[in-house]
Amino acid sequence: EVQLVESGGGLVQPGGSLRLSCAASGFTFSSHAMHWVRQAPGKGLEYVSSISSNGNSAYYAKSVKGRFTISRDNSKNTLYLQLGSLTTEDMAVYYCARERLGYRLYFFDYWGQGTLVTVSS
Amino acid sequence: EIVMTQSPATLSVSPGERVTLSCRASESVSSNLAWYQQKPGQAPRLLISGASTRATGVPARFSGSGSGTEFTLTISSLQSEDFAVYYCQQCNTWPPGSFGQGTRLESK
Repeated sequence: EVQLVESGGGLVQPGGSLRLSCAASGFTFSSHAMHWVRQAPGKGLEYVSSISSNGNSAYYAKSVKGRFTISRDNSKNTLYLQLGSLTTEDMAVYYCARERLGYRLYFFDYWGQGTLVTVSS
Repeated sequence: EIVMTQSPATLSVSPGERVTLSCRASESVSSNLAWYQQKPGQAPRLLISGASTRATGVPARFSGSGSGTEFTLTISSLQSEDFAVYYCQQCNTWPPGSFGQGTRLESK
């Protein structure tokens, strides 16, 4: 069974940093590109960041570029998102999602349950 | 950046009704479009990929159509468990960002 379990969320002050983790199991993690998507309270889904299966390519939404860093450790089956220079605009539930394996199948077939990041002084 | 626009934002419907949700892309995404369902307090769930292919376990009352810039998600006979928010996402380019803003189905 495919499982994605996020952790690392919590309360952080404006300007602070946080590292989110997504532990994957039930599939060959190193074969799949992975993504982070966030959802502010009461709002829609917002794409955040992507990383290729081998970790060599990464992409960021304009809203987080230069402040967030995506990475992965395929030996630990874990995806990471380092959040920095946080503002209240970054307060959201952060989901990790798996990209379907296959040629140009750029959709997310499994999602974690999310971890909440609260930015407040 | 491809912009996805969904309409309407909210739809008031009753169980048993046929429901049609729309999604428009600012440029062609061919048939590379996905639909997701999200219920309160839950993660999104993949419903449709490739504009019309139902994901595993998705009931046959859900169907998707369209190509290019215009897409539709249809629920043939709404069930009580279908009240949720539905999002479209372009999947034509990597990375597949660009979600629509969502359509909420609420009880009439």
